[in-house]
Amino acid sequence: GAGVSQSPSNKVTEKGKDVELRCDPISGHTALYWYRQRLGQGLEFLIYFQGNSAPDKSGLPSDRFSAERTGESVSTLTIQRTQQEDSAVYLCASSLGTLTYEQYFGPGTRLTVT
Amino acid sequence: QKEVEQNSGPLSVPEGAIASLNCTYSDRGSQSFFWYRQYSGKSPELIMSIYSNGDKEDGRFTAQLNKASQYVSLLIRDSQPSDSATYLCAVRRTGTYKYIFGTGTRLKVLA
Repeated sequence: GAGVSQSPSNKVTEKGKDVELRCDPISGHTALYWYRQRLGQGLEFLIYFQGNSAPDKSGLPSDRFSAERTGESVSTLTIQRTQQEDSAVYLCASSLGTLTYEQYFGPGTRLTVT
Repeated sequence: QKEVEQNSGPLSVPEGAIASLNCTYSDRGSQSFFWYRQYSGKSPELIMSIYSNGDKEDGRFTAQLNKASQYVSLLIRDSQPSDSATYLCAVRRTGTYKYIFGTGTRLKVLA
């Protein structure tokens, strides 16, 4: 079946604008994760969803970041009033959740704030 | 102390050799361990998962887990230049779905 998809693949925005990043998980995957990866650095956990509930939001860097998920489907990560330090690749991953914990990643969205 | 630690490398091995990648973790109760490969400019790709002490083999890859020593490793046999990438170790925290990733080890396989 299809893997995790993300859109857009690239986004260039001006400082101060809001952006929305979208993730479509693998069908049937109940758990969904967002990570941030700055250039040359490791993966930084942002948030995860079990179904449409977000038990752990501890990784969100500031209140400018928010995320939501519709049922066990699409998730949107929103960054308000973007700053240059928000420039990074935003990765989404999904897993079956209770039966298996293996995460599968989407191709990512490269965000550039100018 | 980082929760998941990896040597950043680069680790250089000749083609055909065994590459050994290591990872240590601090949460003694961690239960699930994963190795991902990430090519430059691409997203991480799952190589293997391991949940029990011992070895798990899949083709040229062998994952080794030692919970007493809080250590997980990945062996790549008959290394190929196409194996050149950054290898990420990930650990699932006890009782949660949260995964902690190491910063990765860059592997270079020299032709």
